[in-house]
Amino acid sequence: AQSVTQLGSHVSVSEGALVLLRCNYSSSVPPYLFWYVQYPNQGLQLLLKYTTGATLVKGINGFEAEFKKSETSFHLTKPSAHMSDAAEYFCAVSLFSGGYQKVTFGTGTKLQVIP
Amino acid sequence: SQTIHQWPATLVQPVGSPLSLECTVEGTSNPNLYWYRQAAGRGLQLLFYSIGIDQISSEVPQNLSASRPQDRQFILSSKKLLLSDSGFYLCAWRETGTVYEQYFGPGTRLTVT
Repeated sequence: AQSVTQLGSHVSVSEGALVLLRCNYSSSVPPYLFWYVQYPNQGLQLLLKYTTGATLVKGINGFEAEFKKSETSFHLTKPSAHMSDAAEYFCAVSLFSGGYQKVTFGTGTKLQVIP
Repeated sequence: SQTIHQWPATLVQPVGSPLSLECTVEGTSNPNLYWYRQAAGRGLQLLFYSIGIDQISSEVPQNLSASRPQDRQFILSSKKLLLSDSGFYLCAWRETGTVYEQYFGPGTRLTVT
């Protein structure tokens, strides 16, 4: 079984401040991990992904995330928040089982950027 | 490049009416296809997935059904809508045989009145 926990359904940061969105996962096998962003009334857009190899992954819009196996975490960060970063962010874990890919999404974190 | 389309973008339907939402993918063959629902304040709930034509699996029992009449077409249907069917419906696709990312369509906002 696999699961994803996103700590904090709402996070507020000031423009220019560090963005930190937390994600912890549970998986019985090495996971594939993703962060998606969703703007209001739009679909989800992939920010970044971890499959194998380097544990620090860089994505679009200046975001990055670090896979920490010992902490079962995959937190999303950005050094300096922009107003355009205001959106909802979803962490997801993927497992290939029984012939299909099962993706489990977290419940999302809404990021508010304060000018 | 691959693109995914959903229509309609928004829909308001009365309780008890039928539903048909369509999703099509371009630029790829034999994709895995998914229907998700996103209710207000909640995460994504997987409704159906398909690994091929006429191969549909349901994740949750409900009054919705899905069909895949063509390789790159995925349809979500209902014979009689319930108030609880309101939400944001997202279609997604993924390349067959990988565990990599899913690509999402723009979504359909369904309001059942």
